[in-house]
Amino acid sequence: QVQLVQSGAEVKKPGASVKVSCKASGYTFTSYGINWVRQAPGQGLEWMGWISAYNGNTNYAQKLQGRVTMTTDTSTSTAYMELRSLRSDDTAVYYCAREVVRYSSGDNWFDPWGQGTLVTVSS
Amino acid sequence: QSVLTQPPSASGTPGQRVTISCSGSSSNIGSNYVYWYQQLPGTAPKLLIYRNNQRPSGVPDRFSGSKSGTSASLAISGLRSEDEADYYCTAWDDSLSGWVFGGGTKLTVL
Repeated sequence: QVQLVQSGAEVKKPGASVKVSCKASGYTFTSYGINWVRQAPGQGLEWMGWISAYNGNTNYAQKLQGRVTMTTDTSTSTAYMELRSLRSDDTAVYYCAREVVRYSSGDNWFDPWGQGTLVTVSS
Repeated sequence: QSVLTQPPSASGTPGQRVTISCSGSSSNIGSNYVYWYQQLPGTAPKLLIYRNNQRPSGVPDRFSGSKSGTSASLAISGLRSEDEADYYCTAWDDSLSGWVFGGGTKLTVL
């Protein structure tokens, strides 16, 4: 079955960086893009950006431009999200999600999602 | 402050019908499809509605979506206890060139 499995929880100090991984299985990795979405404690969902697993093209949320980098390793079917200069308000659960595209109808959606990775930023 | 506006909470008794609204603008809901995700407590979100009103296989027909202009809504009929979850609407925003979400609606089954 199609599955995304993320790396474990992280605790980081302010100013540090974190790199979260998302390993895909059950489908052809390079045929789909991967989105990253985060959720602060008790808050809603926030889209962070997208990466094409086919050619590595990226599209980052304006708010995170300059602090986030998304990459993929097609040899291991793994996507990565690195966030730098961490602040306390970056504390959140970070999700990866496969983007399903239907060119015939012009729509796309996120399915499935990874299980989430809690990143805690604290001094 | 989310780009799409949802009521923070909604509630109903078993068997009732509830509706959750999602308000946006011409750059998102007004010109693109709306999607709904269900997030059960302690789990990752799951696709509930795509292309405004389509249900993925496995989603009961008790769930339905609609869109009109710059607003959308999710209706749940025959409410069940297992429907207790957070519900999020989302759409692509042409001005921001990215996905925007509503703040989420916590549904309580009384």
